[in-house]
Order: sequence, then structure tokens, then C-alpha cells
Amino acid sequence: KNEVEQSPQNLTAQEGEFITINCSYSVGISALHWLQQHPGGGIVSLFMLSSGKKKHGRLIATINIQEKHSSLHITASHPRDSAVYICAVYWYSGGGADGLTFGKGTHLIIQP
Amino acid sequence: NAGVTQTPKFQVLKTGQSMTLQCAQDMNHNSMYWYRQDPGMGLRLIYYSASEGTTDKGEVPNGYNVSRLNKREFSLRLESAAPSQTSVYFCASSPFRQAQGIQYFGAGTRLSVL
Repeated sequence: KNEVEQSPQNLTAQEGEFITINCSYSVGISALHWLQQHPGGGIVSLFMLSSGKKKHGRLIATINIQEKHSSLHITASHPRDSAVYICAVYWYSGGGADGLTFGKGTHLIIQP
Repeated sequence: NAGVTQTPKFQVLKTGQSMTLQCAQDMNHNSMYWYRQDPGMGLRLIYYSASEGTTDKGEVPNGYNVSRLNKREFSLRLESAAPSQTSVYFCASSPFRQAQGIQYFGAGTRLSVL
């Protein structure tokens, strides 16, 4: 079973700050996802990546396959970025369940 | 352009009652998933369906059954609800056979079992 650890668990920052959320996993994977869960509960996929870096607006996701580590960065943070950010990994065991293993999430609050 | 629709949004059950959570997607996706989310824990896979007519157990399948009625619909049934099944349930779908594509989530069902 793949263990997914996120840090920090909670993060409070001021508007405009550069935010970094980290994700580490224990077993080699074929894909990693970053998701955002809004305060109302809805979940949205932000990125799926298997190597390198992806950028969408103010969000940047990177992954280092050798180090089994990924980071999600938010530039020029805004109060509307306040949410729970969840890392999830897909790894294929060859006979096990087809699905994602999720981290517990990082609760981000951006204060005005 | 509804995406993934779950019903109901909220439900309260008494121990031993049964109910079915409904999920439908209009994106012509092959794969569909049921997750539960509990405080302090990550989302956990209950069951999944890689394609119409197939279903497989996930990490926490005990106490649940599923039906992939057609390509659009994937239902989750609790035959005899227990307080340990109090949770928020999410249905998701993905265009690809395995979880290598972006997943699209429903809004969730908050279930309380008394």
C-alpha cells in the first residue's frame, strides 16, 4: 500500500504570500494528482502529472519521481485560495484495486 | 452540462435501515468510483467500476454493494446501515480505464447513521 504524507497539515498565510504544500509517497507511482476541496465540500481536480512541472494560472505543481515528492505552489495567494488541498497517487499493483491513494489534505487559509 | 450528479445530498438513517446512493455522469466516462471521506482521514475507495458491467472492491468495501446499471449510472447500496458508515460519500468518474486521468467528482452525500 502506498503511504501519502502531506505537509503542512494546516497553513495560514497573508494575502500575496507564496505558498508551498508538499506531498511525499512511499512507493513508485505512475501519476500524481492535486485536488482542491472547497469549504462547501466540492472537490475539483487541479493537476495530474507524472513528471516535471505543470502550471495553471497562479498554481504550479512539480514532481520529483526519484525522490518520491511533489509540491504545489500558489503565487500571489488570495483569500479565495482558502481550501483543503489534497495530494493523491495512482500506482498499479497488477492485481489490486484500481484507484487513488489520498493524503489527508492541507488546510490552507489566506487572510486578507 | 451537469458533470457528476449525486443524490441525495443529505440523509439520516437509523441503524439497520437500508438505502441506495445514486450517481450519474453525462461525460461518457468509462470509469466510475465511490469514495468515503471521514474526519482526519484521506478519501478512501469503496468500490470502482472500470467499465459498464464490471465492478471491483476498493480499500473499504465491507458493508456496501454497488451496481453499474449502465455507462452513466453507478449506485452504492448500504443493506444494513451502521453508525461506522456515517461519512461523506463522493462519486467520481474518469474517461480512462485506470485512474490515470483527471477524476471528476460529484458534490457529495452527507450520511448520518444513528
